[in-house]
Formats: sequence, structure tokens, C-alpha cells
Amino acid sequence: GAGVSQSPRYKVAKRGQDVALRCDPISGHVSLFWYQQALGQGPEFLTYFQNEAQLDKSGLPSDRFFAERPEGSVSTLKIQRTQQEDSAVYLCASSSRFSSGNTIYFGEGSWLTVV
Amino acid sequence: SQELEQSPQSLIVQEGKNLTINCTSSKTLYGLYWYKQKYGEGLIFLMMLQKGGEEKSHEKITAKLDEKKQQSSLHITASQPSHAGIYLCGADIRVSGSRLTFGEGTQLTVNP
Repeated sequence: GAGVSQSPRYKVAKRGQDVALRCDPISGHVSLFWYQQALGQGPEFLTYFQNEAQLDKSGLPSDRFFAERPEGSVSTLKIQRTQQEDSAVYLCASSSRFSSGNTIYFGEGSWLTVV
Repeated sequence: SQELEQSPQSLIVQEGKNLTINCTSSKTLYGLYWYKQKYGEGLIFLMMLQKGGEEKSHEKITAKLDEKKQQSSLHITASQPSHAGIYLCGADIRVSGSRLTFGEGTQLTVNP
């Protein structure tokens, strides 16, 4: 596609419910990132993939958060047993390969509200 | 992020005025990215700077990188209401692997 596509754009989950957020990166992009952005804050790093390999998951806040990219293209961020503090915008980004010099493109984000 | 600080946090200007937003890193900058964000939406790429002294312009927006000061500035000339939004700087500071570290953002309001 032309850009990074994320779905759903908006999700309301009841506390305790599991959610799955999807990211379709730009075709051919090797690097994929997930970020979490709370209201009024800058994006915070969650995890990074190079192709299908999850090279860095140090930003995942708890073991309730899980991300995968099994075929090196589409990625899914799963949050189990959602809690109110998980309410945030979840941003996906991709790059041809992460290194200085390559532009990193972001999707529109998935806005999660946990009630 | 404490590693990357933006100033000011918010800015209100009259249409037609010039303005500057700063981004200062506590670590060495290997790449500096500027993005614009509308409330509740994704980040729109503006510019990327890599080398000390580098300066790039797009329409009325100019960004500069001062590598020695570990700082970048974003300057908007003759601001318009369409410039309103949140400006975010993101940096490759290679602290913890491959990622961009972001500042808290600067909320820009341009009054007609």
C-alpha cells in the first residue's frame, strides 16, 4: 500500500478483555516498530522487528503485551487482560531498514480505550 | 523522554509570525527526525537531519542540526493556521538498540 495501515482505528475494550491491533507496513519495509502514546505525551518505544525477527522487546510494559510478525510483513500487537492504564494510541512505523538516513513512516494509529 | 527535551511545550502565535521549536538531546545524535501530529492521528514525516550543521527546508519550515550542541531547531516562517498541531522530534541516540527516542512534543496554535 501507499503508507502504513493500522486497524482498528478505534477500539473500546472492557477491562479484562483481550485486544489485537494490526499493522500493515509499507511493502518491502524490513524494519517495523510499535510505539505507545499516552495523551499529551510523546511516543514511547514498545518493540522492534527486522523482518520476522523481534530484535528488541524491551519496551513492552508487561507480559500481557505480545507482538508478532510471523511472515515478515503484517504485524499484530496483542494485549491480554486489558487494564485502564493500557488506554493510549498505539502507533506502528516502518522503514526500509533502520539506520540513520532512512525515513521512518508512521501509521494513523489505533486508539485504545479501556473502560 | 528525559533524554530528549523539547521547548517550548506549547506555543500560541498570531498568523504571519515566525517561530522556533527546539529539541535538545542529552546523548550524541546520530540522526534527528521531525514529525507533525494532529490530535488523535499518526505522525507525518517532515524532515530528517544527519550531519552536523545540516539544514533542510520544506515550504516554510526549516530544520537545523547542531551536532556539537546535540540540538536541533525547527523554524516556521510566516506561520499559517495550517501549521497548527503537535511537533515531535525523534532521535537516534543509540542508547538501547534500534529505535527512535521521542521528545514530549510542542503544541502549536496559530491564531488567524
